[in-house]
Amino acid sequence: QQPVQSPQAVILREGEDAVINCSSSKALYSVHWYRQKHGEAPVFLMILLKGGEQKGHDKISASFNEKKQQSSLYLTASQLSYSGTYFCGTGTAGNKLTFGGGTRVLVKP
Amino acid sequence: DAGVIQSPRHEVTEMGQEVTLRCKPISGHNSLFWYRQTMMRGLELLIYFNNNVPIDDSGMPEDRFSAKMPNASFSTLKIQPSEPRDSAVYFCASSQLRDRGNYGYTFGSGTRLTVV
Repeated sequence: QQPVQSPQAVILREGEDAVINCSSSKALYSVHWYRQKHGEAPVFLMILLKGGEQKGHDKISASFNEKKQQSSLYLTASQLSYSGTYFCGTGTAGNKLTFGGGTRVLVKP
Repeated sequence: DAGVIQSPRHEVTEMGQEVTLRCKPISGHNSLFWYRQTMMRGLELLIYFNNNVPIDDSGMPEDRFSAKMPNASFSTLKIQPSEPRDSAVYFCASSQLRDRGNYGYTFGSGTRLTVV
């Protein structure tokens, strides 16, 4: 079953912060985050494994709460380059990922 | 490294024709995934391989779809016969398998398929 992402879309001014959430109805083994710009392929940002770890990529970080089966992606001091659609991919059994519906982020000057 | 290479980039075909999409994964990656992306259904996993062996093809829509990975550097996704509802962007992705799941996926540029 597909994980649920929220919000579906967010508009930010440069320098503002945002949080994107990803929830699953299944027990999670791992969570991946990707960003896709229009007309391009998704690009890997980071992976989080069981253990509640938090990771960072530039000013983008994420957390993983395995008990709640949730992950959150934090965009801090957003830049124009952060615009795109963000996808979470959840790993359960095996090594396949199921992707959420995506969150469209638009950062304006 | 050239990344994951897919061909063709665009394909326009008539309903009923056979379509073959090709993928060359990153050297050293031992997992390969075929995804399909549409506005309505998002990113759907069609099939994936570990060490050239198909592991899960439960996402393949129907018997019209087939995929092969004859060696570690090449995979194909075939649709025969094609239908207008198959129109989508098809992505191939590769990754390195480890003890607990995979490292991050590297996606190819995708093949935009239009069936008229």
